Amino acid sequence: EVQLVESGGGLVQPGRSLRLSCAASGFTFDGYAMHWVRQAPGKGLEWVSGISWSSSSIGYADSVKGRFTISRDNAKNSLYLQMNSLRTEDMALYYCVKAATSTLQGTFDYWGQGTQVTVSS
Amino acid sequence: DIQMTQSPSSLSASVGDRVTITCRASQGIRNDLGWYQQKPGKAPKRLIYAASSLQSGVPSRFSGSGSGTEFTLTISSLQPEDFATYYCVQHNNYPPTFGPGTKVDIK
Repeated sequence: EVQLVESGGGLVQPGRSLRLSCAASGFTFDGYAMHWVRQAPGKGLEWVSGISWSSSSIGYADSVKGRFTISRDNAKNSLYLQMNSLRTEDMALYYCVKAATSTLQGTFDYWGQGTQVTVSS
Repeated sequence: DIQMTQSPSSLSASVGDRVTITCRASQGIRNDLGWYQQKPGKAPKRLIYAASSLQSGVPSRFSGSGSGTEFTLTISSLQPEDFATYYCVQHNNYPPTFGPGTKVDIK
């Protein structure tokens, strides 16, 4: 059974940093691309960032480019999102999402339960 | 970026009703589209991939169709557990983009 467990969310002041983690199990982690998707309170879904199986291809939404960094450790079956210079508009539930392919261009098939990021002074 | 629209934005329906949701892409995306169901407080769940392929374990009352720029999700006979918000997402072009969602609630 595929399991994606996010952690690292919390309350942070504007301008500060936070690092999200996602522990994956139940599948061959290094065979698939992974993504972060977020959902602001009461809003829809927004793709944030994605990383291919080998980390050779990485993408970011314009809204986070230059502030967020995605990475993965295939030996630890883990995905990360380093979030710097956080803004109030980054406040959302962040989902770790497994892709159905090894490359960035592919459908999302499994989602974690999310970790909440609150940005407030 | 490809823009995705959905209609309607919300609908009220009764158990047993046939429900159709439309998703349109601002340019052709072949069949690179998925449909997801999200219930309050829960993570999205994939229902349909490649526009018309049913995710394993998803009831057969759900179906998807379309190609190019126009797609539909149909629930043939709405059940109580189907009241939720439905999202389409395209992955033909980078970055992947979501539709704004369609909320299905009880009439």
